[in-house]
Parts: sequence; C-alpha cells; structure tokens
Amino acid sequence: EAGVTQFPSHSVIEKGQTVTLRCDPISGHDNLYWYRRVMGKEIKFLLHFVKESKQDESGMPNNRFLAERTGGTYSTLKVQPAELEDSGVYFCASSLPGTRGKEQYFGPGTRLTVT
Amino acid sequence: AQKVTQAQTEISVVEKEDVTLDCVYETRDTTYYLFWYKQPPSGELVFLIRRNSFDEQNEISGRYSWNFQKSTSSFNFTITASQVVDSAVYFCALSERNSGNTPLVFGKGTRLSVIA
Repeated sequence: EAGVTQFPSHSVIEKGQTVTLRCDPISGHDNLYWYRRVMGKEIKFLLHFVKESKQDESGMPNNRFLAERTGGTYSTLKVQPAELEDSGVYFCASSLPGTRGKEQYFGPGTRLTVT
Repeated sequence: AQKVTQAQTEISVVEKEDVTLDCVYETRDTTYYLFWYKQPPSGELVFLIRRNSFDEQNEISGRYSWNFQKSTSSFNFTITASQVVDSAVYFCALSERNSGNTPLVFGKGTRLSVIA
C-alpha cells in the first residue's frame, strides 16, 4: 500500500512568488492534515480536512495560505505571495475516518525555501 | 493549553548503549493521546506508538519501550542496545480527545546519533 506522498520534495522560490504544494493521502483516509516545521521550532498544525471539507483551519498563519481538497482526494496548499518567514518543511498527514486519536501517517515533507 | 517539552535537543551514544528520550506534556484534558514519531534522514515521520491517557501500562516492542507516568506527565521512550539505524530525530506529540479533531501538538524533537 502506498504511503502519503508529497510533491515537490524541495522548492526554492523568490519572495513574492507563488508556490503550490501537493499531498496525496493514503487511499481511504478521509482525514488529511497539513503541518509546518520552521527551522529549529516545533512541527505546528496548519489545518485539517475531512474529505473535502475544512474541519479546522485555526493554524493557518494568514490569508496568503490557501488549502484545497477538491473531491476529497489529494490536497494542495498554495502560498501567494511567499514571504521569507514561510520557509520551512511542510508535512502532510492522513488518517482513517473518525477523528478521535487515530494515528496519523505522514509524508516525507516539502522543504520550501524562500529567498 | 497543550504543550509538549522534549528537553534533550541532541543525544549521542555509542552503539549498544541504552538511551532514554524524555517527553513531558501539559494538558487540561483528562482524556488525551500521546504519540512518538521517528524522523529518519529520509525525512518522513514514522509512527511508533500511540497511548491513551487511561492506559498507564508500559509497553515494550522489541528494543523499544515506553514509560507513561501520569503523576509526572511524562511519556519517556527507551531504546535498548541502540544501533546505528536508530539515528534519527524523535518527536513526542499530544492530541486532546475533546478538541473535535485531532491535530497533534509536537515537541521540538530530540536528535539521536548512534555512533558505531
């Protein structure tokens, strides 16, 4: 069974540009999460989808970040326009239906560098 | 508020030594889940264990063992007879059951280096 996949693995962009990150969850996993780790800090929650609906987006830093999950399958996270402080590793995770304490399976992350 | 503290930033041990990674958590909830994840050099976070707050029984899986103590709000992880392949960053995480969803709150991670 394929795990969570993320694309690209690494992206280097200039300040002010747009970047779109993609996450493909494990098949059958209704729950999809985005997290981010800024250098030297904790991995922090960004948002949670249940199928195509945003269950919780309390961790989204500002309106430059837009997440979508059309059709309840893969998800994209767009940063527009990117700022220097957006640099970090963006992780995607998925879990089985139901929201109570199910283990989340993580992808390898996308390392975003904004210069 | 939820918080997870991993006070050890980096640990180096020689192969075959035992090593314990500390994790202390804070939560107001009486029902919660604790997790450990491993991040090898390849980058993905690998799930190791989930423990709910009502189960304080310690768990052993091969060379891995976990010690959960509610009295001290700790969920420590011990690797016995460490191997080079254990070198990774290890994250402890907390999830509160009654939040309506289960975003994980992570510690900063402990980088373990096992030297041959």
